[in-house]
Amino acid sequence: GEDVEQSLFLSVREGDSSVINCTYTDSSSTYLYWYKQEPGAGLQLLTYIFSNMDMKQDQRLTVLLNKKDKHLSLRIADTQTGDSAIYFCAERKRGSTLGRLYFGRGTQLTVWP
Amino acid sequence: GAVVSQHPSWVICKSGTSVKIECRSLDFQATTMFWYRQFPKQSLMLMATSNEGSKATYEQGVEKDKFLINHASLTLSTLTVTSAHPEDSSFYICSARVGGTSVVEQFFGPGTRLTVL
Repeated sequence: GEDVEQSLFLSVREGDSSVINCTYTDSSSTYLYWYKQEPGAGLQLLTYIFSNMDMKQDQRLTVLLNKKDKHLSLRIADTQTGDSAIYFCAERKRGSTLGRLYFGRGTQLTVWP
Repeated sequence: GAVVSQHPSWVICKSGTSVKIECRSLDFQATTMFWYRQFPKQSLMLMATSNEGSKATYEQGVEKDKFLINHASLTLSTLTVTSAHPEDSSFYICSARVGGTSVVEQFFGPGTRLTVL
């Protein structure tokens, strides 16, 4: 199966909070990342969390990590139409000397005005 | 922050021709670059890992003779799609790795849309 799994779609109304979930399989992963991809563009790093952390907040973004369940979530507060994009969860496994990342399939976030 | 560029941003070619895509790290040296392929509505598929001065390491199922990778300098890697066919049409994205132990190690290019007629 996939190393990293995400739900494929999420729709929210502008101003609401969005929560995008991700599960990963390698408990030894060191860093976990969230990337944003707008249509026709490359990936933009939004935030990351080290595996010994439970939570990280950065302005409107909150990352929660449940290492026991290997579950990662990204909460976007006060979601705006400009947040509509595909969001990828990625893990970097321990021992990955070249820094290879393993990506989920991405969650398409649609924000309705 | 570190910037990675790709050229061209899009290309349309006839079946049977070869297409070269460049990936450049503009303000840092990248010993390692990664090439991904992305199909519509799908995740990134790692095609190969490119190390400066050595042969690329291809993922299982990726034809090395079809997708030629050259990482001739610390700031440039190229992907050549040889004898392209319509099934090679895709969005190709590269990323460049910053050396050292920085947690944010990979920076992504904007992607190249390849359409083979």
